[in-house]
Amino acid sequence: NAGVTQTPKFRILKIGQSMTLQCTQDMNHNYMYWYRQDPGMGLKLIYYSVGAGITDKGEVPNGYNVSRSTTEDFPLRLELAAPSQTSVYFCASSYSMGGGSNQPQHFGDGTRLSIL
Amino acid sequence: QKEVEQNSGPLSVPEGAIASLNCTYSDRGSQSFFWYRQYSGKSPELIMSIYSNGDKEDGRFTAQLNKASQYVSLLIRDSQPSDSATYLCALPMDSNYQLIWGAGTKLIIKP
Repeated sequence: NAGVTQTPKFRILKIGQSMTLQCTQDMNHNYMYWYRQDPGMGLKLIYYSVGAGITDKGEVPNGYNVSRSTTEDFPLRLELAAPSQTSVYFCASSYSMGGGSNQPQHFGDGTRLSIL
Repeated sequence: QKEVEQNSGPLSVPEGAIASLNCTYSDRGSQSFFWYRQYSGKSPELIMSIYSNGDKEDGRFTAQLNKASQYVSLLIRDSQPSDSATYLCALPMDSNYQLIWGAGTKLIIKP
């Protein structure tokens, strides 16, 4: 079972460059999430999606964009990379039949991103 | 606003002993609770879910939920060095589809 797959696993960017972090899940989950985790810190929600075509901001959305054109894919876009975006990025997904998030989230392996 | 609090640790426990991790939360209406384990450099991994008051056991792990006192605990029996990790608790934010995450407790099992 693939679960949640993130690519790339590692990336180094120069300041001002752009890139897209890919996330795909094969569990038919309707909810998907993007988190960042700085060294020694907790998870911070960047964006989330409750279904194809629906996205919303989390706690730290500035400098990022997302789209959700299919149930499976939820890419995260960095338009103008800044050193403050150096972090580990996790994509997660979960399933819920109704409103609310009473089901656990399942995580990908993460993307380690350095901005120099 | 809902909040989740955990002692950041590190919590040091001798091998073979019981490790006890605690999480307190602010919202009496919370119904679901999750414990995740995160090894250094890895992604969070779900280890326990608990939805009702009382204890839930899974192998060496026991989750305890006390809604009246608003805390949820994770007990690890016969602790092993491989249990050394950061343990995160999380609970749902109701209708806006998010989880509220604790900052995590770092557990160190000493051989």
